[in-house]
Amino acid sequence: QKEVEQDPGPLSVPEGAIVSLNCTYSNSAFQYFMWYRQYSRKGPELLMYTYSSGNKEDGRFTAQVDKSSKYISLFIRDSQPSDSATYLCAMSRYTGANSKLTFGKGITLSVRP
Amino acid sequence: DARVTQTPRHKVTEMGQEVTMRCQPILGHNTVFWYRQTMMQGLELLAYFRNRAPLDDSGMPKDRFSAEMPDATLATLKIQPSEPRDSAVYFCASGTQVGETQYFGPGTRLLVL
Repeated sequence: QKEVEQDPGPLSVPEGAIVSLNCTYSNSAFQYFMWYRQYSRKGPELLMYTYSSGNKEDGRFTAQVDKSSKYISLFIRDSQPSDSATYLCAMSRYTGANSKLTFGKGITLSVRP
Repeated sequence: DARVTQTPRHKVTEMGQEVTMRCQPILGHNTVFWYRQTMMQGLELLAYFRNRAPLDDSGMPKDRFSAEMPDATLATLKIQPSEPRDSAVYFCASGTQVGETQYFGPGTRLLVL
């Protein structure tokens, strides 16, 4: 079993839909949780960053972490065609800039106009 | 606009040939990471350096891969000899001790025939 599991997808939704992306993990030492967005033929870029359990909201994006269940989610409200990309969850024991990240395999999201 | 640069962007080579990929981290970033991304395995950490010293290269096949930081502005990843199974996109990322995120370069797309 991999340390981080992510729904494989792909996922296709109509514009305006609410999107829910999820990851589970097995290593209870993970404390920092991130979502990266990767457009085709580009490098991943940070979308959301949370520490420990709880919710964090940024515009149309909400990240949730439930450490007791070892489960994290990313919600996208009012999805737009520009949200079409691959979304990767990532986790680390220490702050993400300076330590090893463990990634999920990513899920490709397509938002249909 | 500070960004991580990688060269070459694309590389096609024949099995058995040496491949060298280069990365220029963002100025002032003291941690540099090498990742490999494939459809099957997703994004995997190969090695990373802090203040130019190798910290962890456990993800790297030691018999054919080597990673170095000759100076603070250059990181290299070398494959010798290359094999078809090395075909992937190789990403370099850099970060700082206090930042939240690693910043990824655009990747080197390697195809070994």
